[in-house]
Amino acid sequence: AQTVTQSQPEMSVQEAETVTLSCTYDTSESDYYLFWYKQPPSRQMILVIRQEAYKQQNATENRFSVNFQKAAKSFSLKISDSQLGDAAMYFCAYGAQKLVFGQGTRLTINP
Amino acid sequence: EADIYQTPRYLVIGTGKKITLECSQTMGHDKMYWYQQDPGMELHLIHYSYGVNSTEKGDLSSESTVSRIRTEHFPLTLESARPSHTSQYLCASSVGVWGSEAFFGQGTRLTVV
Repeated sequence: AQTVTQSQPEMSVQEAETVTLSCTYDTSESDYYLFWYKQPPSRQMILVIRQEAYKQQNATENRFSVNFQKAAKSFSLKISDSQLGDAAMYFCAYGAQKLVFGQGTRLTINP
Repeated sequence: EADIYQTPRYLVIGTGKKITLECSQTMGHDKMYWYQQDPGMELHLIHYSYGVNSTEKGDLSSESTVSRIRTEHFPLTLESARPSHTSQYLCASSVGVWGSEAFFGQGTRLTVV
């Protein structure tokens, strides 16, 4: 079975600075996708960024980028120029036949 | 916002009652999921479906059941609610292609007293 582990229950960062959220996963499959989702307080879960496992190039979406290390099964999320609206729970997820989530990291932005 | 809807948003019900949580999507997505999430905690996959008449149990054992008679509808039923079922239930859907973005509903917060 696939597992996703986020070892940082909580993180905080000063507004305008950079923060990196960690994620590791375990799978025996070679073809899969990895995701970072954001769950703002009392709001719907939304997709932040997606990475195809067969692509070596790291995905980037504006201020959000990932560091994908396939051999190490590591998939971290970097948020640059942090904004107050980035405060949320962030979930790393593994997607193949089904979508499996990690434990989540609560990100706080300090003004 | 995504076109996936869950009702009710909040439900307080007594022990032993039968309940059905509704989830509907208007995007024509083949895949649908139910997750259980305690506040601020991880999401546990309890059921998923690849399409009509397809249902699978997820990684977390659940006493709930699901059905998928129509593409757009994926209800979750608890025959006899217990306090241990108190949680938030999130429904999601995606197209059938691997790696597709999953769209989430706003969730149903269930309290069994």
